[in-house]
Amino acid sequence: DAGVIQSPRHEVTEMGQEVTLRCKPISGHDYLFWYRQTMMRGLELLIYFNNNVPIDDSGMPEDRFSAKMPNASFSTLKIQPSEPRDSAVYFCASSSGANVLTFGAGSRLTVL
Amino acid sequence: AQSVTQLDSHVSVSEGTPVLLRCNYSSSYSPSLFWYVQHPNKGLQLLLKYTSAATLVKGINGFEAEFKKSETSFHLTKPSAHMSDAAEYFCVATTGRRALTFGSGTRLQVQP
Repeated sequence: DAGVIQSPRHEVTEMGQEVTLRCKPISGHDYLFWYRQTMMRGLELLIYFNNNVPIDDSGMPEDRFSAKMPNASFSTLKIQPSEPRDSAVYFCASSSGANVLTFGAGSRLTVL
Repeated sequence: AQSVTQLDSHVSVSEGTPVLLRCNYSSSYSPSLFWYVQHPNKGLQLLLKYTSAATLVKGINGFEAEFKKSETSFHLTKPSAHMSDAAEYFCVATTGRRALTFGSGTRLQVQP
């Protein structure tokens, strides 16, 4: 298995633009998580899905953020409109059963 | 509620000397505990996990951790540090309800 695949690895955009981050979890994993990592706040859980259904989105900062999981092999995290304070590394992770998360390599977002 | 405290934000050791990264947790329930490592510009990788079996857990790359319920600790150790161990290490707890709690991280420096 190629692991959790995230794209893009790096994105630089201007304030106000829409940003879409993508994630392909490990095949067979039934949980998918989106995390954000910054120097100031460390790792923050944004949202997680179980069997494609959002379970807890209490970590989503505000309405500008939305996440979807249309099927078991794909999820998106969208920011619209983006702001400089959204600059961070966004990680996707997936798991099955035993609480062990496998993380993707992350998407580094810079909003100018 | 559960929380994870990593007692040191930075640890510096010389190559070949022992490593100790400290983690304390608080939880109303018996937690599962993990250590993850993050190398620069990479995602998080599982080092080891404790899930109420043996209290001494061996992980990858020569790391191990001991669960001490009386001290509510799960410290990570390695007998001899290698330059490639330089990274950030995260202690993580979960009660199995998918609510993972990350510590703030410990950056390990290894001096030649």
